[in-house]
Amino acid sequence: DQQVKQNSPSLSVQEGRISILNCDYTNSMFDYFLWYKKYPAEGPTFLISISSIKDKNEDGRFTVFLNKSAKHLSLHIVPSQPGDSAVYFCAASATFQGAQKLVFGQGTRLTINP
Amino acid sequence: NAGVTQTPKFRILKIGQSMTLQCTQDMNHNYMYWYRQDPGMGLKLIYYSVGAGITDKGEVPNGYNVSRSTTEDFPLRLELAAPSQTSVYFCASSPGGTDTQYFGPGTRLTVL
Repeated sequence: DQQVKQNSPSLSVQEGRISILNCDYTNSMFDYFLWYKKYPAEGPTFLISISSIKDKNEDGRFTVFLNKSAKHLSLHIVPSQPGDSAVYFCAASATFQGAQKLVFGQGTRLTINP
Repeated sequence: NAGVTQTPKFRILKIGQSMTLQCTQDMNHNYMYWYRQDPGMGLKLIYYSVGAGITDKGEVPNGYNVSRSTTEDFPLRLELAAPSQTSVYFCASSPGGTDTQYFGPGTRLTVL
């Protein structure tokens, strides 16, 4: 069963506009949510996170929103830039025996068009 | 700092062969993790370690073994390679159990 789902495999956005990436989860025990960005032939890099006790976290052009009742989170990128073209993974965290175990979604490939 | 390094970058194995994927980090992180990513899928946790000498299973441990004799190294061993183990393997580390995980560049493994 897929505990974390990203239902859009790809998204294309014009440069300068807003990019919105979505993620749904099923497990209420997740206590932290993260977004990772991945370029080809590289490992994922951490982008932004949000605790389950918050509903919004902002870092420069990136904002993550969490709707716990809907078990849904989204990543907003404003304004979108060509360097934002990458695969974005949503991940949910459950801490077990002191270690953060991440459950990843399938990823959304974001393409920013000039 | 090199961060997390993985070798080799690519490898083709025949069914039944064995190999070790190497992972080294130079950040003195206690926690280390192994993930695999299948095409079109998210990363899945294979094994993790909370410190030298301590390892535990993740979501998909079957067919793999790990050891952690030093803080820096966390090798992943495949004993009898199967086509189902064709994947990209990522190693990650973090200072503490709830801290951000830093990933290596990955090893692309094909089993034929």
